[in-house]
Amino acid sequence: DAKTTQPPSMDCAEGRAANLPCNHSTISGNEYVYWYRQIHSQGPQYIIHGLKNNETNEMASLIITEDRKSSTLILPHATLRDTAVYYCIVRVGPTGGGADGLTFGKGTHLIIQP
Amino acid sequence: DSGVTQTPKHLITATGQRVTLRCSPRSGDLSVYWYQQSLDQGLQFLIQYYNGEERAKGNILERFSAQQFPDLHSELNLSSLELGDSALYFCASSARAKFQETQYFGPGTRLLVL
Repeated sequence: DAKTTQPPSMDCAEGRAANLPCNHSTISGNEYVYWYRQIHSQGPQYIIHGLKNNETNEMASLIITEDRKSSTLILPHATLRDTAVYYCIVRVGPTGGGADGLTFGKGTHLIIQP
Repeated sequence: DSGVTQTPKHLITATGQRVTLRCSPRSGDLSVYWYQQSLDQGLQFLIQYYNGEERAKGNILERFSAQQFPDLHSELNLSSLELGDSALYFCASSARAKFQETQYFGPGTRLLVL
C-alpha cells in the first residue's frame, strides 16, 4: 500500500469547515483513498473513501486531486464531537495483492475549539 | 454503535499468563480482523479471518493466535504474556474479503499485563 503523509495536528473553530490534507504521491491506479477517525481510544470509525472522483456522504466530503497524489477530507461544520485522530489510508483495490488489514499511520489529531 | 461487539472491555492479568479476547462481527459480515494499538506502535493489523479460514497475516506474534468459529465469532488468544502486550485490541468486520470493503470496528478490549 502506498505511504501517506498527514500533518500531526490541526485546530479548527467549532462551526467552521475542517479541511484535513493527505499526501499520497506514490499512489497507484488501483489504490483507493480511505479516511477513518478515532475518537479517544474508541474503535476507529469509517468516514469515506474514493478512487478518483470526489465523494460526499452524510459525514464528510473527499476531494482527490486530478493527479491523485493528494486528497482533502472536509468536515463541513465541525463540532466538538469531531475532535479525533483522522487517518488517511491508501490501499489496493480488488485486483491487488497483499494483506487485507488496514495500515494506519500516525494520522492528524484534529482539535475543534469552542 | 458499529454493530461489532467485543468482550471483555477490560482485562488485567500477569506476565506469563494466557487470555482470550472475543469478537462478534456485525450481522452478516463474514470477515473479521484483529488489530493491536499500543502507545509506541500505533494501530497495527494482526490477522484476518474470512468465513472461518485465515485470510491474511500482519504483525502477529507467534505467541498470539486466532480462530473464527462456524457462527462467525472470533477469538484472539494471547499466551506467555509480556508487559509489552499491554494494549488496546480491536476487532473489525466487513461483509466480504475484498479490499475495498469498509471495516467496522468494535469498542476494543483494553489489556493490562502486570
